[in-house]
Amino acid sequence: DQQVKQNSPSLSVQEGRISILNCDYTNSMFDYFLWYKKYPAEGPTFLISISSIKDKNEDGRFTVFLNKSAKHLSLHIVPSQPGDSAVYFCASYSYNTNAGKSTFGDGTTLTVKP
Amino acid sequence: GAVVSQHPSWVICKSGTSVKIECRSLDFQATTMFWYRQFPKQSLMLMATSNEGSKATYEQGVEKDKFLINHASLTLSTLTVTSAHPEDSSFYICSASRNSGDNEQFFGPGTRLTVL
Repeated sequence: DQQVKQNSPSLSVQEGRISILNCDYTNSMFDYFLWYKKYPAEGPTFLISISSIKDKNEDGRFTVFLNKSAKHLSLHIVPSQPGDSAVYFCASYSYNTNAGKSTFGDGTTLTVKP
Repeated sequence: GAVVSQHPSWVICKSGTSVKIECRSLDFQATTMFWYRQFPKQSLMLMATSNEGSKATYEQGVEKDKFLINHASLTLSTLTVTSAHPEDSSFYICSASRNSGDNEQFFGPGTRLTVL
C-alpha cells in the first residue's frame, strides 16, 4: 500500500510559467512533508519542506501548500526555469520511530521548455 | 556543509561476486544513515536504516543477508551486496541525518551498480 502518491508521472511547462506538482498521501500521522529534486545519475537534493501543522511554506520561487483535509500537497514553482527540469519527489516524514522514516512518491518528471 | 559522498560512483561486477558501497558524511556526524534503491522510472525505495553502533533495521522484503549494512562510525556506513545477480543492478543512494529524528536528510550522489 503506497502511502505517498504522485499521480502525474510527467509535466511539461513553458519557461516563465507556473509549474504545479501534486502529491497525495494516505496517512494523516505524518509529521513533515518534503520535496526533493533529482537529476539523472545524481542523488536527490532537498528542496523545501512543510510541517503538518502548517498549510503553506515559501522559499523563493518554491512554495509548498498542504491541504490536510484532502491529504494533498502541491509544489508551485514560479517562474519556471529550464534548470528546473528534473524529477521531483514528494516524501512524508514520520517521527514515530527513533530514526524517523521518509516515504517517497514515485516522482514527477518536470520539463521546462525554453 | 552537510555533504555526503559515496564510493564508488559506478561499479560493474560479475554475477556471484560481492560489492561494497561506502557512504560518508564529510563535514558532519551522521547518527542515522539510510540506504535507498532506485529502479528506472521508479521511486526511491528505502532498504534499511542504520544507527551508528547498532544493527540496521531492514524494510520488509529486503534480505538482510543479501544486503549487509555496517555503520561502524558516525561518518561511515557501508552497504555490501553479497553474491550479486543481474537483478541487483540498480542505483543505490545513501542519505544521512545529523540527529536521530531529524527530518532533513542529506543524500549522497548515488552508486550505479551493474551486474553482468
